[in-house]
Amino acid sequence: DVKVTQSSRYLVKRTGEKVFLECVQDMDHENMFWYRQDPGLGLRLIYFSYDVKMKEKGDIPEGYSVSREKKERFSLILESASTNQTSMYLCASSLAPGQQFFGPGTRLTVL
Amino acid sequence: GQQLNQSPQSMFIQEGEDVSMNCTSSSIFNTWLWYKQDPGEGPVLLIALYKAGELTSNGRLTAQFGITRKDSFLNISASIPSDVGIYFCAGQSPGTYKYIFGTGTRLKVLA
Repeated sequence: DVKVTQSSRYLVKRTGEKVFLECVQDMDHENMFWYRQDPGLGLRLIYFSYDVKMKEKGDIPEGYSVSREKKERFSLILESASTNQTSMYLCASSLAPGQQFFGPGTRLTVL
Repeated sequence: GQQLNQSPQSMFIQEGEDVSMNCTSSSIFNTWLWYKQDPGEGPVLLIALYKAGELTSNGRLTAQFGITRKDSFLNISASIPSDVGIYFCAGQSPGTYKYIFGTGTRLKVLA
């Protein structure tokens, strides 16, 4: 079974803090994704990576950056957290093309 | 970002009833995925479809890849209380890494 894990299930941070969300997959997938999910807005793609050190902006990259130094790990960074970044963050991985598997999600609250 | 049209938005059904939902797109896809998401959790992949006309089952769930490649259907037979949740479709266009998601169908099962 594919396993995608995320470093935290719940996170509370203060405005202006730097926030790191970590994601690890164990199936040697090339592609990894970061989404945020908000009520009424569905799943929105922040960034994705199709190889180590390769990344592309998704639909809403502003205020976020990513890092992929190893194939199995994809990090999402909020350089200076703001209250409008309070959301559910979902990491996913996939072969190309094909099935995409999600992690359990991180519920981030920015105060 | 773009979202797929998914209907119905919500359904209230009696335990034991069959359920049908569908997704439509204005563009063609070469992959259709169906997910279930429980509150506070990440989406779980239920069924993946790769070919126009393909019909695939996973227990009581059956999904079909539409002939036009612009739609997909998910059926749940003999629903049970644990089927409660939000069901999403996702499509992947040829030559792209990205997935586009449906707006979700919220299913409630009355015992």
